[in-house]
Amino acid sequence: GNSVTQMEGPVTLSEEAFLTINCTYTATGYPSLFWYVQYPGEGLQLLLKATKADDKGSNKGFEATYRKETTSFHLEKGSVQVSDSAVYFCALSDPNYGGATNKLIFGTGTLLAVQP
Amino acid sequence: DTAVSQTPKYLVTQMGNDKSIKCEQNLGHDTMYWYKQDSKKFLKIMFSYNNKELIINETVPNRFSPKSPDKAHLNLHINSLELGDSAVYFCASSQTVAGGHTQYFGPGTRLTVL
Repeated sequence: GNSVTQMEGPVTLSEEAFLTINCTYTATGYPSLFWYVQYPGEGLQLLLKATKADDKGSNKGFEATYRKETTSFHLEKGSVQVSDSAVYFCALSDPNYGGATNKLIFGTGTLLAVQP
Repeated sequence: DTAVSQTPKYLVTQMGNDKSIKCEQNLGHDTMYWYKQDSKKFLKIMFSYNNKELIINETVPNRFSPKSPDKAHLNLHINSLELGDSAVYFCASSQTVAGGHTQYFGPGTRLTVL
């Protein structure tokens, strides 16, 4: 079945450090890929997405490229801030065209802690 | 201008009680979902409704009964609450389009069963 594997956390970085959170997936068909972020005590917010191979999603300095050959969607940011501290979830969606059986399958989440 | 809203935000109750969580979206989407996030932050889909019709039911105990009175609302009723039901429940919505449906999440309802 479809699944998402994320690197275990927590990831602890100093401000302005480079961030990579690894995400790989297993899926039949051609899923869309997403990164969601959950700040402490809040709900999930869409961070970025990519719907086909070689697409790059980007937002707020974060980016991730849909790599079909390595089945990966790693999240990167060149210079993290304390305000980026949150849990980051990689997810895939395998929409059933003509229907609405679109469920998100999430990775286990990676806690990022950025220290001043 | 809240997009997906849930009530209540916190719910504390005793084992065996029955409770409901409400969700509303003002995005004009045709599909709504319930997800459960456990204590380890793991998220799993429970139900999905499209145009008020149940589409996904992920082997959830039948103590959980979703109800969608219209496209903008999806409520979750839980009977005979158990300790293991303690979790954060997230509602989400999306619009059915070819090429991928982006889901937008509510703020969550933290349910604590004592």
